[in-house]
Amino acid sequence: AQTVTQSQPEMSVQEAETVTLSCTYDTSENNYYLFWYKQPPSRQMILVIRQEAYKQQNATENRFSVNFQKAAKSFSLKISDSQLGDTAMYFCAFMKPSSNTGKLIFGQGTTLQVKP
Amino acid sequence: SQTIHQWPATLVQPVGSPLSLECTVEGTSNPNLYWYRQAAGRGLQLLFYSVGIGQISSEVPQNLSASRPQDRQFILSSKKLLLSDSGFYLCAWSRIFTGELFFGEGSRLTVL
Repeated sequence: AQTVTQSQPEMSVQEAETVTLSCTYDTSENNYYLFWYKQPPSRQMILVIRQEAYKQQNATENRFSVNFQKAAKSFSLKISDSQLGDTAMYFCAFMKPSSNTGKLIFGQGTTLQVKP
Repeated sequence: SQTIHQWPATLVQPVGSPLSLECTVEGTSNPNLYWYRQAAGRGLQLLFYSVGIGQISSEVPQNLSASRPQDRQFILSSKKLLLSDSGFYLCAWSRIFTGELFFGEGSRLTVL
């Protein structure tokens, strides 16, 4: 069974600085998707970034980028130029496309506080 | 555009009482639907998922059940709530081939 681990329950960063959130996963699959989701306080959870395992190039979405290390089964999220609106809980997630169910396996989450 | 709504947003129920949380999706057809529970320090736990009307898969044996009476309606139920059922429940639908999940606003359940 697949597992996703986020070892940092809480992190903080100063506004405008860069922060990296860690995620590791365990799977025997070769093809899979990885995601980072953001859950702001009292707001709906939304997708931040998505990575397909067969793509070697790291995904980037504006200030958000990932460091995908397939051999190490590591998938970290880097937030550049942190903004107060980045304060949220961040979840790393794994999906096996071959299951055709769309099920995501989530990590425990990392609460990020951006300080002014 | 697609939207997802779930209700009620907050619920306080006594132990042993029934539960019904509802979720509806608009703007898409035949979505995959999911119920997750979020507990502090434990991330999101998948409870049920459905790939079509009347098709429910349970991920965790427990006191809860789910039903999908219509294509875009997903209901989470319990006949008798336990204290351990307290938590934040999230409904979601997905674009299956991209893996992106779209979440509802969540329902916070407190069982006393």
